[in-house]
Amino acid sequence: SQQGEEDPQALSIQEGENATMNCSYKTSINNLQWYRQNSGRGLVHLILIRSNEREKHSGRLRVTLDTSKKSSSLLITASRAADTASYFCATDGSGSARQLTFGSGTQLTVLP
Amino acid sequence: SQTIHQWPATLVQPVGSPLSLECTVEGTSNPNLYWYRQAAGRGLQLLFYSVGIGQISSEVPQNLSASRPQDRQFILSSKKLLLSDSGFYLCAWRLTSGYEQYFGPGTRLTVT
Repeated sequence: SQQGEEDPQALSIQEGENATMNCSYKTSINNLQWYRQNSGRGLVHLILIRSNEREKHSGRLRVTLDTSKKSSSLLITASRAADTASYFCATDGSGSARQLTFGSGTQLTVLP
Repeated sequence: SQTIHQWPATLVQPVGSPLSLECTVEGTSNPNLYWYRQAAGRGLQLLFYSVGIGQISSEVPQNLSASRPQDRQFILSSKKLLLSDSGFYLCAWRLTSGYEQYFGPGTRLTVT
C-alpha cells in the first residue's frame, strides 16, 4: 500500500530556482528516505532522516521531518536541468526486513 | 564495490506465457533482497522480500512468485502472465546493517 503521498504530483521550475516537495505518511516510522528516479531507470538513494531528527542537509538538499504532523519536505536549492527526475519519499517502519513503503512521487522538471 | 544486475532490460510476452526475471548482486554477502513493481507514473509496490536463501515473504497476493536459490540471486517468476502483470520491475538490495536500498536498472515488461 502507498503510505507516503507526495505533493505536488508535478512541479515545473526554472533553472536556479528552489524546488520543494512534500510527503505525508500515516503510521509511525523509524526513518524516512528520499529517492530520485530518472525516467526509465532505477531509484537512487538521496538522503535519510531518522525519526528523532528534524532537519538534515546534504549538498543542495535539505530535508525536514515533522513526526507530529507525519510529514516531510525535500528542498533542492539552485536547481539544475540535471535535477529533472521523479522524487519519492519512502518510510521505514517496523518490518523485519525494514521494508520501505513508497509514496506516489513528484515529477520535477527544471527548465534551462 | 557492490553492483546489482537485472535482466532482461525489456521484455514483451504474450498473455499466458511464463516469466522469469533475474537479479544478482555482487560485492556483498547476505543482503536483504526486494522485488518491486512500478506502474506508469506511479510509486513502487513491494512484491516480495527475502532475508536469506530460501526465505521469501510476499507482500501482496498475485500471479507472481519469487525464489532465492543463492545468497545473491533473486528470481521473479510467473507460470502464466496476465495483462495486469505489465509494468516496470525493480530489484533492490540492502545491507542487513543498513537502511538505504540500492536499486537495479529495472525490467520493462509488456504483456500483450
